[in-house]
Amino acid sequence: DTAVSQTPKYLVTQMGNDKSIKCEQNLGHDTMYWYKQDSKKFLKIMFSYNNKELIINETVPNRFSPKSPDKAHLNLHINSLELGDSAVYFCASSPNRAFYGYTFGSGTRLTVV
Amino acid sequence: QQQVKQSPQSLIVQKGGISIINCAYENTAFDYFPWYQQFPGKGPALLIAIRPDVSEKKEGRFTISFNKSAKQFSLHIMDSQPGDSATYFCAASEGDQFYFGTGTSLTVIP
Repeated sequence: DTAVSQTPKYLVTQMGNDKSIKCEQNLGHDTMYWYKQDSKKFLKIMFSYNNKELIINETVPNRFSPKSPDKAHLNLHINSLELGDSAVYFCASSPNRAFYGYTFGSGTRLTVV
Repeated sequence: QQQVKQSPQSLIVQKGGISIINCAYENTAFDYFPWYQQFPGKGPALLIAIRPDVSEKKEGRFTISFNKSAKQFSLHIMDSQPGDSATYFCAASEGDQFYFGTGTSLTVIP
């Protein structure tokens, strides 16, 4: 039973399209995150939600919009995709806001062509 | 500004050797220092973590050494195995703040 699951695993799309990535966790954690990992493997936090409330919103283009319908789900919608959005996007969760016990999903590789 | 500096960027070690990855930080308020291991196509997974009140923590072949006065900590992998080949990230956190290092790609040659 996967603890943090993301779909899809791979996403290839054309510039200008809109796409969504879904994330679900079954750990009962209160806090969920989206990270972006670039081609150099650098991990950058994008958003964090605690019990459906946005608590971290890093400098990310407003084409990226997270949505948390409940504390077990955090989706990422991206409008007007650009070439530079190509990366691996990871969802993660932790028991609370203090980051202890981070659990990551296996990632969504987004390729914009 | 990179809150946690990690080195080296890549490391090649012979099987059976010791792999050492180093990290340094500036913020003395950090109170939790984990290491994550990431295999290709997978998300990072927590490997081992330490708090600043101890100088060393060992779990199997993996040891964190922590030097509070120097604001440095390192991961030692003893008897490195080809299965240890992965990217390793150090991290530091305090309250709502969490920062990853830039990662070290470790290759263990058989």
